[in-house]
Amino acid sequence: QSVLTQPPSVSGAPGQRVTISCTGSSSNIGAGYDVYWYQQLPGTAPKLLIYGNSNRPSGVPDRFSGSKSGTSASLAITGLQAEDEADYYCQSYDSSLSGPVVFGGGTKLTVL
Amino acid sequence: EVQLVESGGGLVQPGGSLRLSCAASGFTFSSYWMSWVRQAPGKGLEWVANIKQDGSEKYYVDSVKGRFTISRDNAKNSLYLQMNSLRAEDTAVFYCARLFLAGEPYFDYWGQGTLVTVSS
Repeated sequence: QSVLTQPPSVSGAPGQRVTISCTGSSSNIGAGYDVYWYQQLPGTAPKLLIYGNSNRPSGVPDRFSGSKSGTSASLAITGLQAEDEADYYCQSYDSSLSGPVVFGGGTKLTVL
Repeated sequence: EVQLVESGGGLVQPGGSLRLSCAASGFTFSSYWMSWVRQAPGKGLEWVANIKQDGSEKYYVDSVKGRFTISRDNAKNSLYLQMNSLRAEDTAVFYCARLFLAGEPYFDYWGQGTLVTVSS
């Protein structure tokens, strides 16, 4: 059971907009700690997608955006493309744990 | 270009040992915290261990404390993970990742991973 909760799966048709939620608690996201998102394409290593809640590293399309409010965060993908089909993970910091880096369980995005 | 290349994975019996290596290039290795993150087959990501730039601070997830040791050799631009007393539940792809610290920690670059299988 992950410290951060994500839906196991989401889906959308090409061109549509999808969102992936990441719910935490008062010791992580709710404490004001930033949220990070990673994209893992099938059979590959994770790749940083969003840092500091809403910032995109160089090379990440602006179709990807992140936001945070209260104890939750969201990743939005607009103009869905077939190549976006992947697993997405959120990550934050948790002050109550000895190992402070925490991940969500991951969300499988299927492009219909 | 930042590159992280893991090696050393393989099949090992329960109770056995394995040493993973990660060769870093394309950045000043000695200036960054480094980490190991693992992913069990069909499962999510789990942070395993961190090490400070000079090796003076190390942190581990509770499930590997006392069994795994993270280390680095800055002269060789290399990161290591010594894994002892391996268990079936340690079976996973192990990723070497660069840890970026500007506020909360996060992983800005990842290696391709090396598979560790613990089975008799």
